[in-house]
Amino acid sequence: DAGITQSPRHKVTETGTPVTLRCHQTENHRYMYWYRQDPGHGLRLIHYSYGVKDTDKGEVSDGYSVSRSKTEDFLLTLESATSSQTSVYFCAISDLGVTYEQYFGPGTRLTVT
Amino acid sequence: KQEVTQIPAALSVPEGENLVLNCSFTDSAIYNLQWFRQDPGKGLTSLLLIQSSQREQTSGRLNASLDKSSGRSTLYIAASQPGDSATYLCAVDSNYQLIWGAGTKLIIKP
Repeated sequence: DAGITQSPRHKVTETGTPVTLRCHQTENHRYMYWYRQDPGHGLRLIHYSYGVKDTDKGEVSDGYSVSRSKTEDFLLTLESATSSQTSVYFCAISDLGVTYEQYFGPGTRLTVT
Repeated sequence: KQEVTQIPAALSVPEGENLVLNCSFTDSAIYNLQWFRQDPGKGLTSLLLIQSSQREQTSGRLNASLDKSSGRSTLYIAASQPGDSATYLCAVDSNYQLIWGAGTKLIIKP
């Protein structure tokens, strides 16, 4: 398995609170991605990074921000969590971009009450 | 806007059968198509990646085909086993972002 960890694995939080999810890789891959997975929607890209401090928006970026200060870490922040952000969040990495294979972390289940 | 559809949403077959999972996409301008497997409570595992210039890829008992002109891909699983039970997702690389289908949940009955 590719060395990707996500923390926390499970979190319950209240509406309006800030939440930060962490993705950590040991593969030294350049590209990192945050997805959310909801029933009936498949996965949807939130944000991605193509290098340290280089990030861009995905399909569903509203309400989310990201940061990447080191190659190995990619943080996803929900500034003020809403119930619509209840989801399973997956981090993925890729050495050469989306044209090539992506490797996924185990996911974080976030519940916003 | 690219849309990816997987039908059926769920499939249950007896062990040993050969089966086909379907994936369709609306815009044929893709760079590649990828098939993934997801086990309950776990992340996704890449199974096969077909570049836009290729027609098929094979890995063990799995064979994936791609027909860009018709906007279709199939994943063929030969001699199915209970360990093949999982959700299978396809994703197309469209404008350097993966667009995903909702998946087919496959159950192989012993």
